[in-house]
Amino acid sequence: GAVVSQHPSRVICKSGTSVKIECRSLDFQATTMFWYRQFPKQSLMLMATSNEGSKATYEQGVEKDKFLINHASLTLSTLTVTSAHPEDSSFYICSARLAGGGGSYNEQFFGPGTRLTVL
Amino acid sequence: AQRVTQPEKLLSVFKGAPVELKCNYSYSGSPELFWYVQYSRQRLQLLLRHISRESIKGFTADLNKGETSFHLKKPFAQEEDSAMYYCALSGHSGNTPLVFGKGTRLSVIA
Repeated sequence: GAVVSQHPSRVICKSGTSVKIECRSLDFQATTMFWYRQFPKQSLMLMATSNEGSKATYEQGVEKDKFLINHASLTLSTLTVTSAHPEDSSFYICSARLAGGGGSYNEQFFGPGTRLTVL
Repeated sequence: AQRVTQPEKLLSVFKGAPVELKCNYSYSGSPELFWYVQYSRQRLQLLLRHISRESIKGFTADLNKGETSFHLKKPFAQEEDSAMYYCALSGHSGNTPLVFGKGTRLSVIA
């Protein structure tokens, strides 16, 4: 099956620093990847849609200058949390879409997530 | 507006009892509906999708367009079914993201 990896799995950083999270589709190409944020015991909140070779589409309320997304290749998208603060501490999850033949369905495969803790 | 509603945050059932996890949706058009499951300390994974009309691990879900529902059912719950279940919908376009419900935690008691 399609596998999506994330790196790092866990990161602790000081307030004011920037953190980059990588999302890779290991055995398929993904023109579209998605970034989610999950608070403890809550659902996934979509942050942005990452399209290969073009600018990401951010959801309302998500600061594009704070959460920089780059989708430079068909297998890699990165999320950079700039000038991180304690309130940015969360579980960040990416997913990659596997397009169905003829547009009949579109399944997303999820990465294992990255736990960010900002001190 | 697109919305997925899972009214129960927590559902506890005894082993062997039937399970029904409720999901209602709001979408202008014909969405694709999915159930995702997240076992403890594991990543989110697809359980089933409405277009395939399949049964996975004994779970089934039927799309009821009249009631805009996609409830997940299993006739006999097993302890290993304990997990977080998310109902989600998507448009048919390749760039349409998934919209998730808030999730229901299923706890199967031995």
